[in-house]
Amino acid sequence: AQTVTQSQPEMSVQEAETVTLSCTYDTSESDYYLFWYKQPPSRQMILVIRQEAYKQQNATENRFSVNFQKAAKSFSLKISDSQLGDAAMYFCAYKGGTGTASKLTFGTGTRLQVTL
Amino acid sequence: GAVVSQHPSWVICKSGTSVKIECRSLDFQATTMFWYRQFPKQSLMLMATSNEGSKATYEQGVEKDKFLINHASLTLSTLTVTSAHPEDSSFYICSARDFKGSGRGWNEQFFGPGTRLTVL
Repeated sequence: AQTVTQSQPEMSVQEAETVTLSCTYDTSESDYYLFWYKQPPSRQMILVIRQEAYKQQNATENRFSVNFQKAAKSFSLKISDSQLGDAAMYFCAYKGGTGTASKLTFGTGTRLQVTL
Repeated sequence: GAVVSQHPSWVICKSGTSVKIECRSLDFQATTMFWYRQFPKQSLMLMATSNEGSKATYEQGVEKDKFLINHASLTLSTLTVTSAHPEDSSFYICSARDFKGSGRGWNEQFFGPGTRLTVL
C-alpha cells in the first residue's frame, strides 16, 4: 500500500518570505500523481498544485512550486512571497495511475502559520 | 473549478438517531464519489468510494451497515449514519470526480465544504 509522510506538523513563515513543506511517499508503481492540497480554517479542500510522475519538469502555479525527486520519492512544496492567506493546513497526497480505481492517499498534514 | 455542495453544513443529533448527509455535484456529472472522515487536527481518511448505480466500496474497518452510502444519480450521493453515537461525531467530507475517458489522464477530485456532525 502507498504511504505518504509529512514530517513537519507545523511550520511558520514571515509574510513575503519563502517556505518549503516536505513530503515523502512510498510506492511500487511507476505511474502516479502527486498533489498538494490546502485546507484553510473554512475546511474547504483546495487543490494547490499537482505533478504527474512521468513528467520530469517540476510543476509551478504562480507562487507555488514543487521539487519532485522521483528516485528519492520526495515531493516538497515551495511557497514564495508568503501571504497571510496562505495560512492553512497543507496536505500532500498520492494517487495511483490506474484510472477510476485509484484513490487519493493523504499525508498527515502540515499546519502553516504566516506571521507579519 | 467545478462545485460540490454538501447539506447540511452542520448537524446535531441525539444518540441512536440516524442522520443523512447529501453531496451534490452542481455543474458536472460525477461518476465517482468519495466519502471522507476527518477528526480534529487530523488528515482525511477515506471511508468509501461509490460509483453511480453500483454498491459502494468500503475501506477496511468502516462498517457498511452503519455508514450507508447511496449514489443513485450522477449528481447526488448520500451518506446515512445509522444509530449514531457520540464516537461518530466528526467532520465528513465528500468529493466527486468525473471520468472523462479512458487512457492516461487525471480527473480532478472536487471537494465539498464538509459536514460537521455532533452526536449528543
